[in-house]
Amino acid sequence: EVQLVESGGGLVQPGESLRLSCAASGFTFSTYSMNWVRQAPGKGLEWLSYINYGSAAIYYADSVKGRFTISRDNAKNSLYLQMNSLRDDDTAVYYCARDHRSSWYIFDYWGQGTLVTVSS
Amino acid sequence: ETVLTQSPGTLSLSPGERATLSCRASQSVSSNLAWYQQKPGQAPRLLIYGASNRATGIPDRFSGSGSGTDFILTISRLEPEDFAVYYCQQYGSSSVFGPGTKVDIK
Repeated sequence: EVQLVESGGGLVQPGESLRLSCAASGFTFSTYSMNWVRQAPGKGLEWLSYINYGSAAIYYADSVKGRFTISRDNAKNSLYLQMNSLRDDDTAVYYCARDHRSSWYIFDYWGQGTLVTVSS
Repeated sequence: ETVLTQSPGTLSLSPGERATLSCRASQSVSSNLAWYQQKPGQAPRLLIYGASNRATGIPDRFSGSGSGTDFILTISRLEPEDFAVYYCQQYGSSSVFGPGTKVDIK
């Protein structure tokens, strides 16, 4: 069974940093591209970042480019999101999501999400 | 960047009825369109990709159609578990989600 489990969320102040993790199991992690997607409270979904299976291709949404860094450790079956210079509008539930085999950016499995709250 | 518009914002129906949800793109996305279902407190679930392909394990009461700029998600007979928010998503060179349609119980 495919499982994605996020961790690392919490309450931080504006300007601070946070690192999210996503532990994958039930599939061959090293052969799948992965993504981070977030959802602000009561709002819709926003794709944030993509990393291919070998970390050779990495993309970001404009809203987080230069502040967030995606990475992965295939030996540990883990995906990460380093978030710097956090702002109030980064408050959201952050999901990791696996790419479907047939195309980039089709998210066929999602974690349960981890809540990040940015507030002074 | 492509903008997706979903209508209606809310659809109030009874179990057993047919639901028709619309997604319109500001420019052609070919068939690079997916649909997701999200229930309160849960992660989204992939329903449809490639405009009309059901994802693994999705019941056949869910169907998708369209290409270019206009897409439809149809739920042929609503089951109690189908009341949720539905998002369309354009993918390919980037990823953009629509604002969602809430299907609630009439």
